[in-house]
This record gives sequence, structure tokens and C-alpha cells, in this order.
Amino acid sequence: GAVVSQHPSRVICKSGTSVKIECRSLDFQATTMFWYRQFPKKSLMLMATSNEGSKATYEQGVEKDKFLINHASLTLSTLTVTSAHPEDSSFYICSALEGANEKLFFGSGTQLSVL
Amino acid sequence: AQTVTQSQPEMSVQEAETVTLSCTYDTSESDYYLFWYKQPPSRQMILVIRQEAYKQQNATENRFSVNFQKAAKSFSLKISDSQLGDAAMYFCAYRLRNFGNEKLTFGTGTRLTIIP
Repeated sequence: GAVVSQHPSRVICKSGTSVKIECRSLDFQATTMFWYRQFPKKSLMLMATSNEGSKATYEQGVEKDKFLINHASLTLSTLTVTSAHPEDSSFYICSALEGANEKLFFGSGTQLSVL
Repeated sequence: AQTVTQSQPEMSVQEAETVTLSCTYDTSESDYYLFWYKQPPSRQMILVIRQEAYKQQNATENRFSVNFQKAAKSFSLKISDSQLGDAAMYFCAYRLRNFGNEKLTFGTGTRLTIIP
């Protein structure tokens, strides 16, 4: 099946720094990618929808200036957590839509810890 | 707005037995998909099974099958011959079946434990 690569898998950073997470579709083109956040033992909450070549659509309550999303190509979307704080510590997961089969494929996630 | 409810936070089953996980959803739409995803300790989301709302026939994938009741807005997952590797969080999810609105709405999850 299709593969979505997400990097890094784990990152620890100091409060106030920025962190970039990459999500790549390796063997298909993804015009749409999604970014989710998951707190421990909780469900996945959609943060934003990323469309290639256009601005991301953020869900209500998600700060677009804090969580910058760029979808510059058909195989790459990035999420940048700017000026990270401890409350941003979480598990972030991306997914990519393979349009031909209308199937969503998930990355392996990124555990962000902000000290 | 669409909502997905999983009323069983935790379930357990004896190895080789059968277990059913419940899911209900609320929507005013008629054309949509329903999914069950498995999230093992690795936290990788794995698609277990997909059901198209326009299909009356229940989807099956080997030991996994669903009971889709569209009128009741119910979508349960049955796991037969449970195996140790089935232990995971299971999420029910919904999305519309139209271009430009493919985002998934997840339920709160059910943690499944397999008893050896």
C-alpha cells in the first residue's frame, strides 16, 4: 500500500524555539494532507487541512500563527510549531489523501516534547 | 456537525474468542464513509475496515467484519478469533464522500485487551 513518511519521529526542544515536522507521500501525489494532534490516551483531533499550492484551512480554535502549515508540493507538507511552549507537547500525526482511490494514509507520528 | 461516539472506553476478550466494539454517529448527510482504525502501541494508525454508506452489504476483511445499520446510525466492529496482536486502541471514524471534504472525524476510541 501507499506510504506516508513523517519526520522526525521524536523531538525535544526548549521553550520558545520552533520545530518543523515533515510529512511526505512517498509513492503517490497528495493534493490534500491533514494534520492531527493526539493527547495521551485521547482521540485524534484535526488541526488543519493542507492543500497543495493554497493556504491551509484551520479548525476552530487552532492558532494559525502558531501552527504554520506549508504544502509546497504534491508530496510534501510541513507543520511548524512556532515559539513552542510546554502545552504544545503532544503527538502530531499527518495523513495524506490518495485521490485515485479516495484513501487516506497516515504517517507514523511525531512526539513533540517542549521543555 | 458530524459526531462519532464510542461508548466503550475499554474492552477485553479471551484469545480466540469474538468481541464486538460499538460505534454510533450523527450526520444529516447520506453519502459518506465509515472506518475502523487500529492504533497499536507504536501509535501508527492502521486501517482495519471501510464501509461505504451507499452499500447495504456489510464490509468484511478476514477476521474483521462490521454491522452497519444506516437508519440507526450504528457501525459496530466484530473481531473473530481474537489474537494477541489485536490488542490496541480502536477508533471509529467518519468522513463525507465528496471531493474537497475528506477530513476524518474520530470517535474517542476503545482500548481492546486480549487475555491469553
